[in-house]
Amino acid sequence: NAGVMQNPRHLVRRRGQEARLRCSPMKGHSHVYWYRQLPEEGLKFMVYLQKENIIDESGMPKERFSAEFPKEGPSILRIQQVVRGDSAAYFCASSHDGREETQYFGPGTRLLVL
Amino acid sequence: SQQGEEDPQALSIQEGENATMNCSYKTSINNLQWYRQNSGRGLVHLILIRSNEREKHSGRLRVTLDTSKKSSSLLITASRAADTASYFCATDGSSASKIIFGSGTRLSIRP
Repeated sequence: NAGVMQNPRHLVRRRGQEARLRCSPMKGHSHVYWYRQLPEEGLKFMVYLQKENIIDESGMPKERFSAEFPKEGPSILRIQQVVRGDSAAYFCASSHDGREETQYFGPGTRLLVL
Repeated sequence: SQQGEEDPQALSIQEGENATMNCSYKTSINNLQWYRQNSGRGLVHLILIRSNEREKHSGRLRVTLDTSKKSSSLLITASRAADTASYFCATDGSSASKIIFGSGTRLSIRP
């Protein structure tokens, strides 16, 4: 049973470009969460999605960031017009059930904005 | 502000010794989890303790939870070099569906 998959593992973008981060949850999981980890800091919640629905986006910056989890395919975290401050590790987690369930994390995508 | 805060921020011990890390949180919780993160890697779930539990064991790990003090501790016994990592506590905070992480304890095991 494959774990949570994220790609790419490393992504380099220049300021103003777009970054697309993909996350495939564990088989049978329909709940996906995105977290951001700045250097030397803990993870901060960004958004929680179920298939085709955003359940909680209270941690998402109001501009430039969006997330989706379509009926088919991986969840996508999209950052438009990236800035240097977006450089971080972005982790995706999935769970079978959103209530009090353990979340399983992917290996993360490390985004570097030049 | 962060829901969970780990203490100490960094800990260095000799191989074979026990390592104790503490976590304090602010609001009521349904559960508290501990994760390990090796340098540059993703998080590995270690253990979940529910709010009605006081202590839980898993191999060399022992977790305690004191809801009256809003604190938890993670004890790693007989530490090994492979235990070198950052350890995060995470709580479900105001929502059972998202978890909130502390800033972590960086544990180094000296050979």
